[in-house]
Amino acid sequence: GENVEQHPSTLSVQEGDSAVIKCTYSDSASNYFPWYKQELGKRPQLIIDIRSNVGEKKDQRIAVTLNKTAKHFSLHITETQPEDSAVYFCAASGTYKYIFGTGTRLKVLA
Amino acid sequence: IAGITQAPTSQILAAGRRMTLRCTQDMRHNAMYWYRQDLGLGLRLIHYSNTAGTTGKGEVPDGYSVSRANTDDFPLTLASAVPSQTSVYFCASSRDVVNNEQFFGPGTRLTVL
Repeated sequence: GENVEQHPSTLSVQEGDSAVIKCTYSDSASNYFPWYKQELGKRPQLIIDIRSNVGEKKDQRIAVTLNKTAKHFSLHITETQPEDSAVYFCAASGTYKYIFGTGTRLKVLA
Repeated sequence: IAGITQAPTSQILAAGRRMTLRCTQDMRHNAMYWYRQDLGLGLRLIHYSNTAGTTGKGEVPDGYSVSRANTDDFPLTLASAVPSQTSVYFCASSRDVVNNEQFFGPGTRLTVL
C-alpha cells in the first residue's frame, strides 16, 4: 500500500547548525508534499509545502527539495534556534488524502 | 468560533461505552478528516469527507463511524470503545479534497480503560 518513510526519527543539533529531515514516498501519483511542525501538546501546523512541478522552495530559514524521479523530498532548516525544537511530519498527497511519515523529533541544543 | 474546534479536550472512558468526538469548523471548508496520533506511528487517517453528505474510509476505520450532515460539523463516533482506541484524535479540514493545506483542530486526548 501507499506509505511514506521518514528519517531520522530523532535529531539533535547545536543551535546555529543545520538540520535535514528526509522522506521517501511510494505512490507515484503523489503531487503535493506538505511539512508540518508539532510542538509538544499542540496541533500540527503547516510550515512549508511543495508541489510536483517545483524542485525546491524556500521560506526564510526553511527549504524543501523534491526529487520526483527518486520519490524523495527533504526539509532543510538552517541556523537552527531553540524554538525550532518540535516534531516534524512530512506527508505525500495524490488525491483525497495525505499519507504522513512517522515524524522526526528535532532537538536544538543551546 | 475561529477556525476549527474539537470537544471534549480530553476524556476517560470505560471500555464498551459509546463516545462521540465533536469537530466544528467555520472556514466553509469542503473537506474534513479525522486522524489518530499514536507515539511512533504518526498521524493515521480514520475517516474523511469530501463534502457535506459524503464520507469515506481511511487507513484505520474499524471501530469508528462518521457523519457529515452539514459543511461545518464532522463528528466521530466510537460505538463500543476498546483500550486500543486510546489515542489523541485530531480533526482537520481543507478547502478542497485535492492537494490543499489541512488545518488541524486542537485535538482530543481519549483514554479507554
